[in-house]
Amino acid sequence: NFMLTQPHSVSESPGKTVAISCTRSSGSIASNYVQWFQQRPGSAPTNVIYEDNQRPSGVPDRFSGSIDSSSNSASLTISGLKTEDEADYYCQSYDSSNQVFGGGTKLTVL
Amino acid sequence: EVQLVESGGGLVKPGGSLRLSCAASGFTFKNAWMSWVRQAPGKGLEWVGRIKNKIEGGTTDYAAPVKGRFTISRDDAKNTLYLQMNSLKTEDTAVYYCTTSLDYGDYVTFPWGQGTLVTVSS
Repeated sequence: NFMLTQPHSVSESPGKTVAISCTRSSGSIASNYVQWFQQRPGSAPTNVIYEDNQRPSGVPDRFSGSIDSSSNSASLTISGLKTEDEADYYCQSYDSSNQVFGGGTKLTVL
Repeated sequence: EVQLVESGGGLVKPGGSLRLSCAASGFTFKNAWMSWVRQAPGKGLEWVGRIKNKIEGGTTDYAAPVKGRFTISRDDAKNTLYLQMNSLKTEDTAVYYCTTSLDYGDYVTFPWGQGTLVTVSS
């Protein structure tokens, strides 16, 4: 099994850009798609990026995803930060028999 | 509209059992791979396990902490997913979500239920 490691927290000001990383411990980050989920307090998670860099309908184009094979990591980038983006963000990937979530990153917009 | 509605949570003593249900609607349930994900209070998301559709064998996979104690099953006639939890431990206390991925060709969606709380305590 592999692990996905995220920073515990990040903070940035409104209008700025933030990137949240997700590093895969073993196996190639490119071998299985990475998804990103946003979770606000008291609510179920919602998908903001799927298949590494695809944005679901209704998610603003301020949200983008990418993978970097050299660092074996994925990134979620949010530009033009708004206070409503403040939430926990989780990366997720899988292999043949497991799904794995990163530990989550608390984004504070202040 | 795709909907996943979990039920069956509650308070149970350590060593006890509980069965959760997830009623699905708005998509072809029998074709979907379904998963359970849990979230302990104040903690992150943890994958519990998955069941494939019957066309692809209907097999199950589980996370190590629940293997041998939890069983995932499905009733395609009732569009319902189940999670049978036995030998419950205090560390199984969590909100349990059912979720899936739906591939519509041009796009994929990842619906989640609202979750059901399981509390394991004496």
